[in-house]
Amino acid sequence: SSELSQDPAVSVALGQTVRITCQGDSLRRFYASWYQQKPGQAPVLVIYGKNNRPSGIPDRFSGSSSGNTASLTITGAQAEDEADYYCNFRDSSGNHQVFGTGTQVTVL
Amino acid sequence: QVQLQQWGTGLLKPSETLSLTCAVYGGSFSDYYWTWIRQPPGKGLEWIGEITHSGSTNYNPSLKSRVTLSVETSKRQFSLKLRSVTAADTAVYYCARVMYSSMFDAFDIWGQGTMVTVSS
Repeated sequence: SSELSQDPAVSVALGQTVRITCQGDSLRRFYASWYQQKPGQAPVLVIYGKNNRPSGIPDRFSGSSSGNTASLTITGAQAEDEADYYCNFRDSSGNHQVFGTGTQVTVL
Repeated sequence: QVQLQQWGTGLLKPSETLSLTCAVYGGSFSDYYWTWIRQPPGKGLEWIGEITHSGSTNYNPSLKSRVTLSVETSKRQFSLKLRSVTAADTAVYYCARVMYSSMFDAFDIWGQGTMVTVSS
């Protein structure tokens, strides 16, 4: 399969914490990357590797991994964090990339 | 500051060939992989394939029979061709830079996206 299941939608109260997960067998070997996409815009990388943030990404975004599950956590969600979030990693062959199905995050 | 600028035909008829090119401005061209990703209207992201500066490629198995990626290192450009398009290929197409290591990959720089519509 070229897609991985993520929860379709989650909501979080302003200032609270939300966690998005992504599962796949190859996550036992590879770290996931996470992307934020707002309507009409290209995706933006927010987390990669063990728990790395590109320059300009707030430290309220963090990543973790356990077994076959990768997680993206937003601690103290802000209104501007409302977006779609996608995970991505290499499949078990190591030759192909896969994306999660995406999670729509709503900040209440 | 690294930027990717992409261009190509935005309106195609069924059975035609989609052709897009992405130019890389700034940064190293040889230290990264380069990739194409698409997103149908209202749907999620789909990886199409990747290419190195030397021309090694990997393709999405579901598209492999119709896709060709190529690279012109001297021009710092890479290109996508998708043959025999149908309405299902209607999508925004993105080029992106791939940071890679033994433990992860990450698409850290993206092009602006090109809307490609297939319609008779």
